[in-house]
Amino acid sequence: GENVEQHPSTLSVQEGDSAVIKCTYSDSASNYFPWYKQELGKRPQLIIDIRSNVGEKKDQRIAVTLNKTAKHFSLHITETQPEDSAVYFCAASHTGNQFYFGTGTSLTVIP
Amino acid sequence: KAGVTQTPRYLIKTRGQQVTLSCSPISGHRSVSWYQQTPGQGLQFLFEYFSETQRNKGNFPGRFSGRQFSNSRSEMNVSTLELGDSALYLCASSLVGNEQYFGPGTRLTVT
Repeated sequence: GENVEQHPSTLSVQEGDSAVIKCTYSDSASNYFPWYKQELGKRPQLIIDIRSNVGEKKDQRIAVTLNKTAKHFSLHITETQPEDSAVYFCAASHTGNQFYFGTGTSLTVIP
Repeated sequence: KAGVTQTPRYLIKTRGQQVTLSCSPISGHRSVSWYQQTPGQGLQFLFEYFSETQRNKGNFPGRFSGRQFSNSRSEMNVSTLELGDSALYLCASSLVGNEQYFGPGTRLTVT
């Protein structure tokens, strides 16, 4: 089956700096890669996603890049703000709706 | 549209008991997936239902089961509860091949 690895597990950045979270996947058939943000005590919320026919996607301060050859994708957050502090999960999907999640990255933005 | 709802939100059970959790998807979503979330383990996929059929199943023991009704509402059941079953149980609904929307979760505590 698919295996998704996510790094780092924790990340601290100064407010205004950029944050990068990386994920790798094992199954070349995976074709949909969402990123979720989970604030403490809240449900995971989709923040951005990318499909395998696209190499990069951007939404304001958030961007995701995908390298199908290397089987990795990354989340980039620029100009970080304290409200970006949360746990971020990457995921990969190919067969119907079975999603494989990374183990999460706890991001802390220091004011 | 109303979001994904889950009931109950909190549950305390003792070892050996069984429990049933309920999930109502977003109207029109026919796919419902269930996840177990524990600290350090991220989101572990339990199973996915589509049109009342289990299409995908994660690597959990047979004590974990589920079903889906004709109105797409889904239930999951855990029998013979163990202490290690204490977790946040999340369900997510989606249109096939698209982003998943998570419910608020059911926090299960087994004592």
